Amino acid sequence: DAGVIQSPRHEVTEMGQEVTLRCKPISGHNSLFWYRQTMMRGLELLIYFNNNVPIDDSGMPEDRFSAKMPNASFSTLKIQPSEPRDSAVYFCASSFLAGGSDTQYFGPGTRLTVL
Amino acid sequence: AQKITQTQPGMFVQEKEAVTLDCTYDTSDPSYGLFWYKQPSSGEMIFLIYQGSYDQQNATEGRYSLNFQKARKSANLVISASQLGDSAMYFCAMREVSGGSNYKLTFGKGTLLTVNP
Repeated sequence: DAGVIQSPRHEVTEMGQEVTLRCKPISGHNSLFWYRQTMMRGLELLIYFNNNVPIDDSGMPEDRFSAKMPNASFSTLKIQPSEPRDSAVYFCASSFLAGGSDTQYFGPGTRLTVL
Repeated sequence: AQKITQTQPGMFVQEKEAVTLDCTYDTSDPSYGLFWYKQPSSGEMIFLIYQGSYDQQNATEGRYSLNFQKARKSANLVISASQLGDSAMYFCAMREVSGGSNYKLTFGKGTLLTVNP
């Protein structure tokens, strides 16, 4: 079975440009999570969706960040305009929330560099 | 206050020996879940093992076991018969069930394990 798919795997852009990260969750999962990992702050949750609805976006750093989940098999995280401090690895994860072990499975990540 | 504490920034172990990676957590919720993930140098996050707060038995998955001591709020990962491929960063995480952010995973800062030949 395919795991969580993220694209692109690497993105290098210049400050001020728009960046769009994409994620395809595991088929059948009903929740999707976006994380950011940096050396300074570790892994932090940005936003999560349940049944395509954003539930908690308190981790989104500022209005430059937005996320959408138009259907159960696709989500985007957009940064506009991008800044050098946005450089990080962005992970998408998905899970099936039904009680018990709602393990989150992570995608390979997108390494973003903003020059 | 940190919810997940991993006190060992780095650990070394000889190949074929066992190693314990420490994790303590802080929660007032009676229902929660504890997870361990492995992040090798290639960067992906790999799920290893899960322990629910109501589970009576310690979780085991192959060479991985979780030493769950609920009263002490610790959930240490034990890796038996270490292999060179076990060299990686290991993260402990907690999911609290109740509250507004039901499905939020809080991660520790990680422990970098190096397996020596």
